[in-house]
Amino acid sequence: AQSVTQLGSHVSVSEGALVLLRCNYSSSVPPYLFWYVQYPNQGLQLLLKYTSAATLVKGINGFEAEFKKSETSFHLTKPSAHMSDAAEYFCAVSLYSYDKVIFGPGTSLSVIP
Amino acid sequence: GAVVSQHPSRVICKSGTSVKIECRSLDFQATTMFWYRQFPKQSLMLMATSNEGSKATYEQGVEKDKFLINHASLTLSTLTVTSAHPEDSSFYICSVEQGNGELFFGEGSRLTVL
Repeated sequence: AQSVTQLGSHVSVSEGALVLLRCNYSSSVPPYLFWYVQYPNQGLQLLLKYTSAATLVKGINGFEAEFKKSETSFHLTKPSAHMSDAAEYFCAVSLYSYDKVIFGPGTSLSVIP
Repeated sequence: GAVVSQHPSRVICKSGTSVKIECRSLDFQATTMFWYRQFPKQSLMLMATSNEGSKATYEQGVEKDKFLINHASLTLSTLTVTSAHPEDSSFYICSVEQGNGELFFGEGSRLTVL
């Protein structure tokens, strides 16, 4: 069965600094991978997704992620953190369209002025 | 992407009562909807996959008789928490998929059982 781990339940960065949120997956077949963001008391919004096309995926709000099969990783990065980036971030995996999506434990990102 | 709406956004009920949460796909006919549960400061746990016109598929450990799911039309799925107890208090979120695995989420419904 597929699974997702996220290293670091909480990450703090200074405003303007690099954001790096880590995600590793386990899957028996090439997966679909996603990063979602959640603001307090709200649903989730898709940041970006990997579906076997380009390994470097660009998303909204300046975020991007690179799929590395050899490392089974899909880390999320942003060159310069903004205060509005403070939120909960979830990495997720599924095996194919309309398959159930499994979420990682989440990483809470704080941005320090 | 699909627009998904949940109602109510917040509900408070007494222990022992039942609560119904609606999930509507406003601009997309969804044969499949997913229901998730989220505890404070935790991740989303898939509860069940709701299938239009047939029985829902529940994840292991989720009580079918406690969490009744009905998907009567292509735009509406409902989750009924029966005989609610304080431990059922949680944030419930539904989602739909339009393909390629991408989920579109409702705003979530926060249930508090007193």
